[in-house]
Amino acid sequence: DAMVIQNPRYQVTQFGKPVTLSCSQTLNHNVMYWYQQKSSQAPKLLFHYYDKDFNNEADTPDNFQSRRPNTSFCFLDIRSPGLGDAAMYLCATSRAGTGNEKLFFGSGTQLSVL
Amino acid sequence: TQLLEQSPQFLSIQEGENLTVYCNSSSVFSSLQWYRQEPGEGPVLLVTVVTGGEVKKLKRLTFQFGDARKDSSLHITAAQPGDTGLYLCAGGTPGTYKYIFGTGTRLKVLA
Repeated sequence: DAMVIQNPRYQVTQFGKPVTLSCSQTLNHNVMYWYQQKSSQAPKLLFHYYDKDFNNEADTPDNFQSRRPNTSFCFLDIRSPGLGDAAMYLCATSRAGTGNEKLFFGSGTQLSVL
Repeated sequence: TQLLEQSPQFLSIQEGENLTVYCNSSSVFSSLQWYRQEPGEGPVLLVTVVTGGEVKKLKRLTFQFGDARKDSSLHITAAQPGDTGLYLCAGGTPGTYKYIFGTGTRLKVLA
């Protein structure tokens, strides 16, 4: 049974049209992460939450926002997608996040920008 | 900025050959994890190493954490086509909840 679920699996949007990606988890984990992965590259951390505490990476563009209304759900909002934002977006969770915890990933949302 | 460099970036070998993938950094990590990722899927954890010098074996895969906890290696013995995929190391940042991924090694094992 899927424990980290991302919807939709594929998302197509137009240049400049806001888009929201969603992630839900059934693991009751404290920490949720959003990673961006471009073709054949390593996942790049955008931001993460410890419960409701939001942590933004210094080089994450302002165009990217996130919301975590409760433990189970986390959203990635891209306010004005550019062609360079086309990528796989991966949501992950972990427990207390001590630096030794396993990351559980969803299957990702492949975003295309036309 | 913490960086994890993996080498080689690409590797294409014949079934039955052995290979080693390296993950190097100038930073110290609280743990080093190895993941394998299939196309169109999220990464799946293979192993976590925590102690400097630690060696873990998972069937034909052997993982080692450097003594200074700055580097790691993954050795595959007698590679099989099912080992094909993107191998990623990820470092846990001490005192935070962050995991930084390495640059990745794309392995293809030919039958």
